[in-house]
Amino acid sequence: DVQMTQSPSSLSASVGDRVTISCRSSQNIEKYLHWYQQKPGKAPKLLIYSASRLESGVPSRFSGSGSGTDFTLTISGLQPEDFATYYCQQSYKNPFTFGPGTKVDIK
Amino acid sequence: QLQLQESGPGLVKPSETLSLTCDVSGGSISTTNFYWGWVRQPPGKSLEWIGNIHYSGGTSYNPALKSRVTMSVDTSKNQFSLKLSSVTAADTAIYFCARLPDSTIFGDWFDIWGQGTMVSVSS
Repeated sequence: DVQMTQSPSSLSASVGDRVTISCRSSQNIEKYLHWYQQKPGKAPKLLIYSASRLESGVPSRFSGSGSGTDFTLTISGLQPEDFATYYCQQSYKNPFTFGPGTKVDIK
Repeated sequence: QLQLQESGPGLVKPSETLSLTCDVSGGSISTTNFYWGWVRQPPGKSLEWIGNIHYSGGTSYNPALKSRVTMSVDTSKNQFSLKLSSVTAADTAIYFCARLPDSTIFGDWFDIWGQGTMVSVSS
């Protein structure tokens, strides 16, 4: 299986901060990497697909980059509604696998 | 606007079969352009992909669960289903159904999710 790791596992930030979350895969997954946001008690919400493509309706402060084994999710100007847990997911190889998550909370 | 809603028992006994249904509203399940999938999340943990199905019946399962998983589609009811046999406490989780766009160029991602349903395995 393709193992996904994320760093940091958690971070504290303030409204307006620029936040960067890293996702790394155990093998080359090209650009088959997707990002989700999950709030407590809610389903995940798609933010970015194919490493850098912004899902329709998602604010432009969210951006993704990377290819191969190293990927980044950036939130430019953190908003109160962005405090949540973020997951990456690869679909290069069956089984699809998710990262362990990065929790973003209020400093 | 497409919506997905899971339903099924919230409590299943060990060794029995977990059965869940996902009702699709606001759109047809019988579309070539999408797959339909299941993802689960044990309490306090990350997400685990279970499998996908196309309305035509084609399936793809997580090898770790493949021997116990059966997915099906009922186009007349616009719903798809999950059966997981021989459950243990390790199968206790929130189960989500979700839609996946059929894209060979960009990969497979879950763009619309149901709200999730908690299933506990306990005697």
